[in-house]
Amino acid sequence: DTGVSQNPRHKITKRGQNVTFRCDPISEHNRLYWYRQTLGQGPEFLTYFQNEAQLEKSRLLSDRFSAERPKGSFSTLEIQRTEQGDSAMYLCASSLPRAGNTIYFGEGSWLTVV
Amino acid sequence: SQELEQSPQSLIVQEGKNLTINCTSSKTLYGLYWYKQKYGEGLIFLMMLQKGGEEKSHEKITAKLDEKKQQSSLHITASQPSHAGIYLCGADPKAGTASKLTFGTGTRLQVTL
Repeated sequence: DTGVSQNPRHKITKRGQNVTFRCDPISEHNRLYWYRQTLGQGPEFLTYFQNEAQLEKSRLLSDRFSAERPKGSFSTLEIQRTEQGDSAMYLCASSLPRAGNTIYFGEGSWLTVV
Repeated sequence: SQELEQSPQSLIVQEGKNLTINCTSSKTLYGLYWYKQKYGEGLIFLMMLQKGGEEKSHEKITAKLDEKKQQSSLHITASQPSHAGIYLCGADPKAGTASKLTFGTGTRLQVTL
């Protein structure tokens, strides 16, 4: 394993449907982050975990969004009742917990809500 | 909350020319990350700076951190087509945490032949 893995890479869904994205971090990294990026913007922080504990959630993470990391390894991000405004790239990243450690990003999962 | 402003927003340079991208923060910079992104793809880590006055280089890319000015610069020497992409700066909001990053909106670089 050489990097952060995300799947699916692309998802097209109808408005109102639920979608789930999966992230597998670099194996020894106990911090895992989710970001959202829309066209022409930088990534925006959504939430992060240290091991299985969700330590912080952005106000961008509405009640339709839920993220889990049940065993402190992979994580899932679920979006319920998708809306067209949810269309974006969802990026996962991982790192070791100390300041100064590199935060590595995955290739992202594109979501298009039609 | 911390905001990062990148300049210029976009840049077109001829192959072989040098260029500089700036990232200015509204608050104290504790850790500053530079990433490169190709359209539709993930972020590729370039460099991370922590201390004022710190300078790091990798191949033809050099990044500097000016703590007093709350600013970082990324300099590319003798640009090549492979340097084309979106350059993003991201900042750590607190000292000693590495919790989450706030990003700028990016600088889009095109390198012409």
